[in-house]
Amino acid sequence: RKEVEQDPGPFNVPEGATVAFNCTYSNSASQSFFWYRQDCRKEPKLLMSVYSSGNEDGRFTAQLNRASQYISLLIRDSKLSDSATYLCVVGSSYKLIFGSGTRLLVRP
Amino acid sequence: EAQVTQNPRYLITVTGKKLTVTCSQNMNHEYMSWYRQDPGLGLRQIYYSMNVEVTDKGDVPEGYKVSRKEKRNFPLILESPSPNQTSLYFCASSFGGYQETQYFGPGTRLLVL
Repeated sequence: RKEVEQDPGPFNVPEGATVAFNCTYSNSASQSFFWYRQDCRKEPKLLMSVYSSGNEDGRFTAQLNRASQYISLLIRDSKLSDSATYLCVVGSSYKLIFGSGTRLLVRP
Repeated sequence: EAQVTQNPRYLITVTGKKLTVTCSQNMNHEYMSWYRQDPGLGLRQIYYSMNVEVTDKGDVPEGYKVSRKEKRNFPLILESPSPNQTSLYFCASSFGGYQETQYFGPGTRLLVL
């Protein structure tokens, strides 16, 4: 079993749609949680950190459920520019473990 | 401009020919790391460094070496490259460690024939 698992997609949605990505992790001692965005084999860039209390940044909302070892990302009112691969990232013991990514395609 | 730079960006080489991929950051970050990215496997950490002269293995260190003699530089060395090291490599840095935002370099595409 992978340490961080994501649905690879692709998720193909129309502009304006709401889309949700899920991620599960296996190490219950994990301490840090993030979503990164990666465009077409370019470098990953931080989208947002994820906290137990949940956090929101504009159209993006991230949630963490430690009991279920589950992380989610909700994107509302999707834009064409949101098309990318979204990486779920979990940190513990000085290391980061990346999921394989979920690909999102937003169509006009 | 705050950035992480990698060189070369693209490299084609042959099996067994030693190579070095350089990584440099100008943000005075303490934590630096190397990843490789392969289709379906995501990014996997090769080595990381907490500070100068402090390095440790990540999840896939076999066939790689690193050094951290200066805070800003963290070169990745392939002593005897093999075709299974063909990959996309990213260097990253952060101020405080793995809990902080990671800033990635633009990537190095390596093909080992």
